[in-house]
Amino acid sequence: EAQVTQNPRYLITVTGKKLTVTCSQNMNHEYMSWYRQDPGLGLRQIYYSMNVEVTDKGDVPEGYKVSRKEKRNFPLILESPSPNQTSLYFCASSDSGGGYGYTFGSGTRLTVV
Amino acid sequence: GQNIDQPTEMTATEGAIVQINCTYQTSGFNGLFWYQQHAGEAPTFLSYNVLDGLEEKGRFSSFLSRSKGYSYLLLKELQMKDSASYLCAVPYNQGGKLIFGQGTELSVKP
Repeated sequence: EAQVTQNPRYLITVTGKKLTVTCSQNMNHEYMSWYRQDPGLGLRQIYYSMNVEVTDKGDVPEGYKVSRKEKRNFPLILESPSPNQTSLYFCASSDSGGGYGYTFGSGTRLTVV
Repeated sequence: GQNIDQPTEMTATEGAIVQINCTYQTSGFNGLFWYQQHAGEAPTFLSYNVLDGLEEKGRFSSFLSRSKGYSYLLLKELQMKDSASYLCAVPYNQGGKLIFGQGTELSVKP
């Protein structure tokens, strides 16, 4: 089944403790992206990647890192999480920048205390 | 830059028709997407318009006017399961940057 898989689905952590949210897609898509979703602010893009080793900042990249060492994986790294990074995170992939849009993973609900 | 506006909330009756509007401002146009998102779930793709006019797909249709920077999503024969948030999105470039509006929360009442 074609899908985007994120892990974990739920995560509660403490301020400053490094964490990684994994994302994997099995559709051989070139484009991958991370979004966060907050009430009243909608979906905001954090980082996106056009191919292996090619990444670029979205609208809210501060406090986040990404890497794209393999085509299928696009992990999101929070080196020192803070409470304002409490949010619902979505990973997404696409086989083109436009036209087909993004297919989204099921989401990761992160709480930083 | 990019700017997308949608109404925050709408309410409609089961079996009726509802139109959700989206206006956008972009520095270059590469099409417009509509997504549906049920509470707590992932957005799912509904439609993509790159040329002017109406595209129909079952109960859902999407319209685009590039000269007016305007699109709408038309939902016919509304069902309770259509209660969801509807998101308008435009690509910023061909490189994968996709910007979303804040979404329109649609409530379908019996």
